[in-house]
Amino acid sequence: AQKITQTQPGMFVQEKEAVTLDCTYDTSDQSYGLFWYKQPSSGEMIFLIYQGSYDEQNATEGRYSLNFQKARKSANLVISASQLGDSAMYFCAMTSPETGNQFYFGTGTSLTVIP
Amino acid sequence: GAGVSQSPRYKVAKRGQDVALRCDPISGHVSLFWYQQALGQGPEFLTYFQNEAQLDKSGLPSDRFFAERPEGSVSTLKIQRTQQEDSAVYLCASSLVMGDQPQHFGDGTRLSIL
Repeated sequence: AQKITQTQPGMFVQEKEAVTLDCTYDTSDQSYGLFWYKQPSSGEMIFLIYQGSYDEQNATEGRYSLNFQKARKSANLVISASQLGDSAMYFCAMTSPETGNQFYFGTGTSLTVIP
Repeated sequence: GAGVSQSPRYKVAKRGQDVALRCDPISGHVSLFWYQQALGQGPEFLTYFQNEAQLDKSGLPSDRFFAERPEGSVSTLKIQRTQQEDSAVYLCASSLVMGDQPQHFGDGTRLSIL
């Protein structure tokens, strides 16, 4: 079974600083995908970044990068140069063909950016 | 519209009533997913469609929950004889094809059962 663990219920970061949100996963599948989503207080889930299990390079999308350590089964999200608009819930998720491509989500991390 | 559209945005019902939640996915998206998100939790999978075929309904909590996508586009999640524990946000997501594709989510329907 797939499992996603996010151990940081809440995080604070100073504006313009970088922050790392932790995510570890557990799977026996060889092929899988890892995703990060942002959920502002308005409720929509916004796709941020994707990492495939066979990708050798860490994914980057603008200010977002994914620190993928396959042997440790971790997929931490790094947000550089934090902005006030980054304050939101962040969810790590994984999927695999063996499980029908449904997403398994962690419990989320609430990020607050302090001016 | 360009994104996944869900309606209603908010729904309040009395315990025992039936409710129907609608999802209009992104045009051309083959895969459609329903998730339930309880307060303070991550979304949990309910069911999955590929076109009109419901390929996985293992996450539906009881036989009171029913989902359909008869023409392979719009989907409806129906909850019969609602209970207070059904109160949650119901999220719909769609993706272009199966595989490692990002799922694009709607704004959700916040369901409150009194």
